[in-house]
Amino acid sequence: QVQLVQSGAEVKRPGSSVRVSCKTSRDAFTRHTFHWVRQAPGRGLEYMGGVVPGYGKTSYAQKFQDTVTITADDSATTAYLEVKWLTSDDTAMYYCARGTYSNYFDSWGQGTLVTVSS
Amino acid sequence: QSVLTQPPSLSATPGQNVTISCSGSSSNIGNHYVSWYQQLPGTPPKLLIYDNHERPSGIPDRFSGSKSGTSATLDITGLRTGDEADYYCATFDSSLSVGVFGGGTKLTVL
Repeated sequence: QVQLVQSGAEVKRPGSSVRVSCKTSRDAFTRHTFHWVRQAPGRGLEYMGGVVPGYGKTSYAQKFQDTVTITADDSATTAYLEVKWLTSDDTAMYYCARGTYSNYFDSWGQGTLVTVSS
Repeated sequence: QSVLTQPPSLSATPGQNVTISCSGSSSNIGNHYVSWYQQLPGTPPKLLIYDNHERPSGIPDRFSGSKSGTSATLDITGLRTGDEADYYCATFDSSLSVGVFGGGTKLTVL
């Protein structure tokens, strides 16, 4: 059973940044990609981007290219999502998901709620 | 607007069968594997179907997937009240070079 454990809920001011982490075991980390998907309240799933650990290669949905950075720390077997210049529209649940060879997501984190409010 | 189109909602009664559609294009469904996810209220999404029609271990055979051209479908037979959830299709899009999700279908089991 693969477990992805995400960091806790955050409350942020508009204009600030947030970093969310997603930790898993060494076995679950190796030879997989890691992705971030967000879900605004009452809305559907929105793909943000992903990272290939070990290579540092990233890809981002066009909407998030200027405000999102996704990284992976191989030694800590942890993936990170940083969102900059937060606005109220970024209030959402953020999920990390493990990617596989044919681009499906076989395991998901529990989600991290980020609330942006003044 | 989502790149993949799903019906926003469906309803059925226990025991019935339902089909959820997912329509895309040649840059996504037409040339890439499709996966399906079930999201129960207040929980993360869960993988239901991968590689168009494969089921992960533990997923009952009441759930099945198929793909034809630029469309995919998720079939659920013998509906149960516990199947009431949001269902999402997903795939890779070559033009966008990222993963994409459908807008989701809210299934109500009356």
